Amino acid sequence: AQTVTQSQPEMSVQEAETVTLSCTYDTSESDYYLFWYKQPPSRQMILVIRQEAYKQQNATENRFSVNFQKAAKSFSLKISDSQLGDAAMYFCAYRSDAGYALNFGKGTSLLVTP
Amino acid sequence: EAGVAQSPRYKIIEKRQSVAFWCNPISGHATLYWYQQILGQGPKLLIQFQNNGVVDDSQLPKDRFSAERLKGVDSTLKIQPAKLEDSAVYLCASSTPGTKGYTEAFFGQGTRLTVV
Repeated sequence: AQTVTQSQPEMSVQEAETVTLSCTYDTSESDYYLFWYKQPPSRQMILVIRQEAYKQQNATENRFSVNFQKAAKSFSLKISDSQLGDAAMYFCAYRSDAGYALNFGKGTSLLVTP
Repeated sequence: EAGVAQSPRYKIIEKRQSVAFWCNPISGHATLYWYQQILGQGPKLLIQFQNNGVVDDSQLPKDRFSAERLKGVDSTLKIQPAKLEDSAVYLCASSTPGTKGYTEAFFGQGTRLTVV
């Protein structure tokens, strides 16, 4: 089974600054998909950004971008110009090309200070 | 577009009691998932349905957990009897088959279960 590791239980960033959340994964597959989900206190998981493993270009969604290093099995999330509303738990997730279910890491709690 | 609906939002029961959770996925979504999220951890898949059929229930504790999805729409997840370690948030999600891996899963707000 694929494992997803988020080594930072907690991160803090000042408003308007940039923060990077780390994620590594273990897989023997060549085709797969990677996701970052945000979970605010409301508990609803919200998709932030996704990356297809066969694409070399890093995905970008407004202030959110990823650094995907396939050989290193690393998938970090960069949040630029952090806002108070970015405070939440962030989960990295892996999905096999063969299946639909997401395999999540343990999450990183992001605190944004004014 | 209406999102994934779950009820109840909160439930407190005593150990050895039974409990059921309900999920209504987004209209037209053939795939439905139940995840268990224990405090401080990421969600873990319990069961995945494709229409009426079970695709993956390898991590479902079948001696006490059961789930069904009648007519390929709503789903219920039941625990009988509950144990203290079942205290968690139970998340329901749905997705379209789409381009398998890339398709987005939409989540409900979950049910927080406390077993005392």
